[in-house]
Amino acid sequence: QLQLQESGSGLVRPSQTLSLTCTVSGGSISADGNSWTWLRQPPGKGLEWIGYIFHSGNTFYNPSLKNRVTISVDRSGNQFSLNVTSVTAADTAVYYCGRYRGNYGYFDYWGQGALVTVSS
Amino acid sequence: QSVLTQPPSVSGAPGQTVIISCTGSSSNIGARFDVHWYQQYPGTAPKVVISSNNNRPSGVPDRFSGSKSGTSASLAISGLQAEDEAVYYCQSYDKSLGGHVVFGGGTKVTVL
Repeated sequence: QLQLQESGSGLVRPSQTLSLTCTVSGGSISADGNSWTWLRQPPGKGLEWIGYIFHSGNTFYNPSLKNRVTISVDRSGNQFSLNVTSVTAADTAVYYCGRYRGNYGYFDYWGQGALVTVSS
Repeated sequence: QSVLTQPPSVSGAPGQTVIISCTGSSSNIGARFDVHWYQQYPGTAPKVVISSNNNRPSGVPDRFSGSKSGTSASLAISGLQAEDEAVYYCQSYDKSLGGHVVFGGGTKVTVL
């Protein structure tokens, strides 16, 4: 059974960079067809897709965040990561990592989520 | 403002059927992109209950069903049970701005 676990700093200062890592267990991050994603959910609000990285290494980002977001993969560590630069209070959210299935598909496995608060 | 529009809340008595709508446009649902539905309990990650318009993943009760027509989709929960009380989100893909994943704002289902 595939499992995902987010880790990283829970408190980030405004204008700094938010960094999170998702560790995948129970399967290989390099398996054919696997794509990996980050999403977030501000407190009391709905879901927002941040971006994903395909098996090919190609990345695609939410246009509203594109200039501040980077998703990368560490295949040897079976991990993938998220960096969000120049954060503000609006970036405070529960951040989820997940697996993305198919083209124009859906998210079938999710991590438990990690709360990141942006505050001085 | 979400790209996909859902009612904020729906409610029903145990055993009844509730239907959640998800309205999009010609750049997402109307462009024939699939619609997927997630169930989320407070403090937990979402879980897919319907994928690709009308497919139920293993373990999801057959009380859950999905449909799609034109620029809209729906999730129906029949034989409503107390455990179905949760927030439900629809999700699709939008071809504008180079293409991106989009969600509805979520619908809170209350079991009366």
